[in-house]
Amino acid sequence: AQSVAQPEDQVNVAEGNPLTVKCTYSVSGNPYLFWYVQYPNRGLQFLLKYITGDNLVKGSYGFEAEFNKSQTSFHLKKPSALVSDSALYFCAVRDGRMDSNYQLVWGAGTKLIIKP
Amino acid sequence: NAGVMQNPRHLVRRRGQEARLRCSPMKGHSHVYWYRQLPEEGLKFMVYLQKENIIDESGMPKERFSAEFPKEGPSILRIQQVVRGDSAAYFCASSPSWTPSYEQYFGPGTRLTVT
Repeated sequence: AQSVAQPEDQVNVAEGNPLTVKCTYSVSGNPYLFWYVQYPNRGLQFLLKYITGDNLVKGSYGFEAEFNKSQTSFHLKKPSALVSDSALYFCAVRDGRMDSNYQLVWGAGTKLIIKP
Repeated sequence: NAGVMQNPRHLVRRRGQEARLRCSPMKGHSHVYWYRQLPEEGLKFMVYLQKENIIDESGMPKERFSAEFPKEGPSILRIQQVVRGDSAAYFCASSPSWTPSYEQYFGPGTRLTVT
C-alpha cells in the first residue's frame, strides 16, 4: 500500500532564507510524486511533479524538489523564501504502474510560515 | 481556459437537510475526483468518476452520500440528512486522463457548515 509522511506539522523560516519541506513515501512500484500548495480558503494548486528523469525537478514560484530513491524522499525546496510563500503544502504519491490503483495518496500537510 | 469550478462556495444546512455540491471540470477533462478536508487536516479521497460511471467510491460513506457525473452537466456530490460531522471543505479535482503521471487540478472548494 502507498503512504506519504510529512514529518513536520509546521516549518518556520525567515524571509530570504532557504526553505525545505520534507516528504517521504512508500510505494510498491515506481513512485509518481507531486507537491501542491494551498492558500487559506482556497483549493490546492499544483506546484511540481516527479515522474522520471532528473532527480531535481523545478516547478512554479521558484520551488524545486529533489527525488531521492535510496531515502524514499521528495523534499520541497526554495533557495530564498518569501512571505507570500506562507501556506499549507501537501505531498502526494501514486504508484506509477499502469495497472496500479490510480488513487493519489496524500500527506497530512505542512504549514509553512515565512516571517519578515 | 476556465479552471475547475465548484458551487456554491459556501453552503449552510440544518441537520437533516440535503446538501448538493456541484463541480464542473476543466474543459477537456472527463475524470473527476471528490475529496473532503477537515480543518487542519489533509485530503481524504471520497470518490472517482468518469462520465456516467463511478469508478471508485471506496472513500465515500456507505449511507447518505452519493455522487454522479452525468453525460451532460456538472458532477454532483449529494449528502442526504446532513449531520454536524459532515461540516468540512469538499474539493473537486479533474484530470484529462486516468494515467498516473497526470496531475489533478482542483476547484476552490465548497465549505459546508451544518448547524
